[in-house]
Order: sequence, then C-alpha cells, then structure tokens
Amino acid sequence: GAVVSQHPSWVICKSGTSVKIECRSLDFQATTMFWYRQFPKKSLMLMATSNEGSKATYEQGVEKDKFLINHASLTLSTLTVTSAHPEDSSFYICSAAGTGGFREQYFGPGTRLTVT
Amino acid sequence: AQSVAQPEDQVNVAEGNPLTVKCTYSVSGNPYLFWYVQYPNRGLQFLLKYITGDNLVKGSYGFEAEFNKSQTSFHLKKPSALVSDSALYFCAVRDTSTNAGKSTFGDGTTLTVKP
Repeated sequence: GAVVSQHPSWVICKSGTSVKIECRSLDFQATTMFWYRQFPKKSLMLMATSNEGSKATYEQGVEKDKFLINHASLTLSTLTVTSAHPEDSSFYICSAAGTGGFREQYFGPGTRLTVT
Repeated sequence: AQSVAQPEDQVNVAEGNPLTVKCTYSVSGNPYLFWYVQYPNRGLQFLLKYITGDNLVKGSYGFEAEFNKSQTSFHLKKPSALVSDSALYFCAVRDTSTNAGKSTFGDGTTLTVKP
C-alpha cells in the first residue's frame, strides 16, 4: 500500500522559534495533502488543504500566517509553525490523496510538537 | 456539509465478547465511509471503507462494518474482541458529490477490552 512519512516524528522547540514538519508520499504522487491537528484524546481537526503548486486553503479559525503550508512538489508538503508558543503543542498529522476518481487518502504517522 | 457522530466516548467489553462501535453520518450526496484506529502517539491506521456495493464491509484485524442507508449508520463490529483491540477508533465520511477528497472525522471512541 501507499506510504506517507512525516519528519520529524517528534520535536521540542523553544517558544518564539519556528519549526518545519515534512510530509512525503513515498511511492505515489499526491496532488492534494491535508494537515490535521489533534489534541490529546480528541478528534482530528483539519487545518488546511494544500494542492501542489497552489496556495493552501485554510479552515476557518486557522491562522495562515502562523501555520505556513507549502506543497512544492507532488511528493512533499511542509507545515511550518512560526513563532511557536506552548499552546501550539500538539500532534500534527498529514494525509496525502492520490490521483484518480476516488482519491484514496493515506495518513502519515504524525509529529508530536512540544513547545517549551 | 458533511458530519459524523460517534455517540459513545468510551466502549468497554470483555475479551472474547462481540464489540460494536457506533457511527452515524450526514452528507448531502452519497457517502464514502471509513474506519480508522489509532494507538497512543501513533498516526491513523486504516481499517475498512465503504464505497459502493455490499453493505457489509470486511476489513483488517477481523473488523467489519455495515452500511445502513436508511439509518445513516456505519457501525464497526467484531465478533470476538481482543485485549490488543484497545485503542481509539475514528469514523470518517466523505461526500461523493465533491472530489476534493476532504474527510470529516467523528470525535472518536475509546475502546477498552478487558481480559
């Protein structure tokens, strides 16, 4: 099956710094990637949808200047948390949708971000 | 708009007993329906999906789910629960009237299987 990787799997950063999370589709081309945020024992909250070569579409309430998303190629999307604060600490999960009619969605293993 | 409801935050069953995790959905068109499982500090693992065809869908690890259009439900079931099935389970729906591929997730149900 299709594989989606995320890097890093966990990261600790100091308040005020920025951190970049990568999402890669390893064996298929993903025209669309989704970024989710998950709080402990809570559901996944869709943050944004990114299409290769175009600007990401952010969900209501998500600050696009704080959560910068780049989808420069068909196999890579990045999420940069700028000027991170402790309240940004969370589990971030990406998913990648392949091409074709159904557009199967594959999830990455997640990245645990802790801001101190 | 599409939405998913998982009415139970927690389901407890004894090992060897059957389990059911409930899910109901709302979409404007026809639904694609999914179940995922998540273990602590891990990403989502796909269990099964309903696209079209037979209402009873069989998936990974002995799980199955039944699509019921009249009740707009897609409950997850397993005939005999294992302790290792203890995890967080998510139901998700995607409206087929859109090709954006965006899925909406339920709030999740924590399944605990006791020995």
